[in-house]
Amino acid sequence: AQTVTQSQPEMSVQEAETVTLSCTYDTSESNYYLFWYKQPPSRQMILVIRQEAYKQQNATENRFSVNFQKAAKSFSLKISDSQLGDTAMYFCALGSGTYKYIFGTGTRLKVLA
Amino acid sequence: KAGVTQTPRYLIKTRGQQVTLSCSPISGHRSVSWYQQTPGQGLQFLFEYFSETQRNKGNFPGRFSGRQFSNSRSEMNVSTLELGDSALYLCASSLGLGYNEQFFGPGTRLTVL
Repeated sequence: AQTVTQSQPEMSVQEAETVTLSCTYDTSESNYYLFWYKQPPSRQMILVIRQEAYKQQNATENRFSVNFQKAAKSFSLKISDSQLGDTAMYFCALGSGTYKYIFGTGTRLKVLA
Repeated sequence: KAGVTQTPRYLIKTRGQQVTLSCSPISGHRSVSWYQQTPGQGLQFLFEYFSETQRNKGNFPGRFSGRQFSNSRSEMNVSTLELGDSALYLCASSLGLGYNEQFFGPGTRLTVL
């Protein structure tokens, strides 16, 4: 079975600090993709970052970067220089096999002023 | 370019009724996926449509069905509503099949009384 686990239901970070959100996954597929999506309060979900499993290099997108550990099936998201606008629900997602996307239960991140 | 739109935004129904939700994808996008979002379960994949054909289906009962029209607009139907169907239903569109970025709509909040 394919699963995605986010073990941190809630986190908080001071503005300008760095925070890391954890995600572990399981799949038997050799080719798959991993995503982090952000859902701000009362706003639409948007893609933060995307990683292709066959690429060794960790994806980065401005202040957002991932630590992709394929053997450990871990895909954490690091947010540097946190901003108030980063306050949101963050979902880790796995794209593979038949069921297109499997999402984790989310981590609610609050950035404190 | 207009984003993904979903109508209606809010719905209140009673048990046993049926409901139809609508999703208009971004122009040029041919893939539409539906998700159910609840606080405890996160996002769960319902189904995906591409070129008017259901390509993938999640683990939901047959009460949940959908279709896609030639203009890529999609509808989702839930029959014989149950209290547990109360959720935010999200629609996402992408250019095609494969693990492209998904663009999410604002969702339809369904409450079943």
